[in-house]
Amino acid sequence: KAGVTQTPRYLIKTRGQQVTLSCSPISGHRSVSWYQQTPGQGLQFLFEYFSETQRNKGNFPGRFSGRQFSNSRSEMNVSTLELGDSALYLCASSWRENTEAFFGQGTRLTVV
Amino acid sequence: QQQVKQSPQSLIVQKGGISIINCAYENTAFDYFPWYQQFPGKGPALLIAIRPDVSEKKEGRFTISFNKSAKQFSLHIMDSQPGDSATYFCAASGMGRRALTFGSGTRLQVQP
Repeated sequence: KAGVTQTPRYLIKTRGQQVTLSCSPISGHRSVSWYQQTPGQGLQFLFEYFSETQRNKGNFPGRFSGRQFSNSRSEMNVSTLELGDSALYLCASSWRENTEAFFGQGTRLTVV
Repeated sequence: QQQVKQSPQSLIVQKGGISIINCAYENTAFDYFPWYQQFPGKGPALLIAIRPDVSEKKEGRFTISFNKSAKQFSLHIMDSQPGDSATYFCAASGMGRRALTFGSGTRLQVQP
């Protein structure tokens, strides 16, 4: 069974630009969550999607948004990039609530 | 009330020794407690998880001990190996949400 696939693996963007990251969950998983990982703040929850609906959102500004498609693939978008948005963005998929969440390898975003 | 506190921040253990990492939570609505292992450049990988209806769960060399009254849980790695050198994260979720609240991580180094 293929794991969680995130693309691209690495991105370099300039301040003020926007970026879109993609996540393909494990086949059969309908839940996708996104996390931001930084050395200072650790792993922080961004948002969660289930059956194309955002179920929960973390404490991040509105510049961070996401969506989920009918095939459960998900994208997250960050607009008006700031230097502090440099981080490893991780996607996790799970079958249902409070069950195992499996992470992808992440997208390393660098904002210059 | 959403915090999960993890200690120690770093840990050095000799090969064959026992590694112990502790976590404490505040939110009594949490009902799912996983541990993740992360190697540099990789996403977190699920190691083992426990629910509050059991006090201990063992999978191979990894054991979770859970103390519901104290709101604490810990990871024990028996016969620690150099290949176990990684960062370990405890996490918690609950209330029907898939969003994980992570501890700050423990960097484990197992010396040969």
